[in-house]
Amino acid sequence: RKEVEQDPGPFNVPEGATVAFNCTYSNSASQSFFWYRQDCRKEPKLLMSVYSSGNEDGRFTAQLNRASQYISLLIRDSKLSDSATYLCVVGDNYGQNFVFGPGTRLSVLP
Amino acid sequence: EAQVTQNPRYLITVTGKKLTVTCSQNMNHEYMSWYRQDPGLGLRQIYYSMNVEVTDKGDVPEGYKVSRKEKRNFPLILESPSPNQTSLYFCASSPRDFSIDEQFFGPGTRLTVL
Repeated sequence: RKEVEQDPGPFNVPEGATVAFNCTYSNSASQSFFWYRQDCRKEPKLLMSVYSSGNEDGRFTAQLNRASQYISLLIRDSKLSDSATYLCVVGDNYGQNFVFGPGTRLSVLP
Repeated sequence: EAQVTQNPRYLITVTGKKLTVTCSQNMNHEYMSWYRQDPGLGLRQIYYSMNVEVTDKGDVPEGYKVSRKEKRNFPLILESPSPNQTSLYFCASSPRDFSIDEQFFGPGTRLTVL
């Protein structure tokens, strides 16, 4: 079983749609969780950290369920500019080793 | 401008010819890391460094070496490259603790080993 798994995608959605990505992790000792965004052939960039209480940043909402070892990302009112690959990242309990999921590609269509 | 730079951006080489990919950051970050990205596998950590002269293996260190003699530089060395090291490589840095702070990535180095 892979350490971090994500929805395989790709997701093709119309502008204005709401889309949700799921991520599961196998290491129950994981302590830190992030969503990164990666545009084609570019470097990953932090989208948001994921906190135990859940957090929201504009149209983006992240949730963490430690019991189920599950992280989610919800994007509301999708824009064309949201088209990218979304990477789920999980850090170990020492805060040194980070495992990236394979990513889920999103295409927002006009 | 705060940034992480990598050189070269593209490299085609042959099996066994030693190469070094440089990584430099101008943000005075303590933590630096190298990743490789392959289709379907996501980014995998090769080595990381918590500070000058402190380095440790990530998930896929075989065939790679690193050094951290200065805070700003973290070169990745392939002593004898092989075709299975053909990949997209990213260097990243973070101000304090990867578990809390954002990792800033360089633009990537696309390496092909023939």
